[in-house]
Amino acid sequence: SAVISQKPSRDICQRGTSLTIQCQVDSQVTMMFWYRQQPGQSLTLIATANQGSEATYESGFVIDKFPISRPNLTFSTLTVSNMSPEDSSIYLCSVERGNTGELFFGEGSRLTVL
Amino acid sequence: TQLLEQSPQFLSIQEGENLTVYCNSSSVFSSLQWYRQEPGEGPVLLVTVVTGGEVKKLKRLTFQFGDARKDSSLHITAAQPGDTGLYLCAGRTWNSGYALNFGKGTSLLVTP
Repeated sequence: SAVISQKPSRDICQRGTSLTIQCQVDSQVTMMFWYRQQPGQSLTLIATANQGSEATYESGFVIDKFPISRPNLTFSTLTVSNMSPEDSSIYLCSVERGNTGELFFGEGSRLTVL
Repeated sequence: TQLLEQSPQFLSIQEGENLTVYCNSSSVFSSLQWYRQEPGEGPVLLVTVVTGGEVKKLKRLTFQFGDARKDSSLHITAAQPGDTGLYLCAGRTWNSGYALNFGKGTSLLVTP
């Protein structure tokens, strides 16, 4: 298993502002994944963050809206920029351990945009 | 388009009852996983199935992967209030790369 800590656990933000979510893992990992879980929807992969290279974004997600940093092998940040109410969601950081594709998740950051 | 369809979406049962949750797709998966998520927490992996027809048991939970690797089921025997949560199936197709496709989940409530 992996211990993954996310901050903040929840926040209420104003429209047009930006929020940075932090993810700390208890050991070094090659890839970190950022997911979004909108109310009543499935988890959707936003991007994959590798240390030392640009994040790889999934279709429908762009770097200007969701910039990601990966300064080392245990830490990553996701910024939600210029927020609108449609960005209200739970944002989850995850890592993969072993070679079976099993994901371990942080507790999530619940974002509400007014 | 939702790659994985889960049913039912919501389920409310009494303690001691049995239930089955389904996860269906028209796509073939190289592996399929089941997660449980409780409020305020991230999903926690329950099981991974990789072989068509595979059956895995985890205490009162029985997971089955369809022969054609397109569907899976989760059966809970004698449900307990501690089983309450959101059950998510997730799978990778042969060409999905690192992306794990999640179903919308089945929200289970077990009342005493």
